[in-house]
Amino acid sequence: AQSVSQHNHHVILSEAASLELGCNYSYGGTVNLFWYVQYPGQHLQLLLKYFSGDPLVKGIKGFEAEFIKSKFSFNLRKPSVQWSDTAEYFCAVRRASKIIFGSGTRLSIRP
Amino acid sequence: NAGVTQTPKFRVLKTGQSMTLLCAQDMNHEYMYWYRQDPGMGLRLIHYSVGEGTTAKGEVPDGYNVSRLKKQNFLLGLESAAPSQTSVYFCASSYGTGQGYNEQFFGPGTRLTVL
Repeated sequence: AQSVSQHNHHVILSEAASLELGCNYSYGGTVNLFWYVQYPGQHLQLLLKYFSGDPLVKGIKGFEAEFIKSKFSFNLRKPSVQWSDTAEYFCAVRRASKIIFGSGTRLSIRP
Repeated sequence: NAGVTQTPKFRVLKTGQSMTLLCAQDMNHEYMYWYRQDPGMGLRLIHYSVGEGTTAKGEVPDGYNVSRLKKQNFLLGLESAAPSQTSVYFCASSYGTGQGYNEQFFGPGTRLTVL
């Protein structure tokens, strides 16, 4: 079945640690890729998106993601996390008219 | 602009009751979506619409109906609520699917509890 997989359900890091959250999808052909963030008690906000071109995409708040087509992956990275990055992170893939989300990764940052 | 708004914000239903969730957007978006968010399962697409008067099924459409009579509104209906429909419901909208235009904008969510 076509799906979006986020294998890390809960990640706990200390401030200033580096972050990488995995995202894999199983759709073939052309896709658009997104990372959304949901801060506690808030709705989803777009972090970054990939449509075409440079596979390394930079987003807001120091986040970036790399699209590796051969691995069907779109991993999210940040060199140094802050306590304010505590949130849930969702990878999403657009295929035709639908946007399908992964199950999310909860990120907890220890002060 | 208000963006995407949802009413109500909270609702408690008894099993078998019906209700309608309203989503409204003021961005002239063509596409609108309804998702449900459950712990550990992320967001799952219930139904979506690619324009006024059109609707289509998503991943988990059973037990829900939708209507898009006006471009700015997308209604989600539960005809006979079940405890399994206890969830947080999010509406989203986007311009379309062209490059640069398919970012989704989300509403604040509706927390529904079915007893």
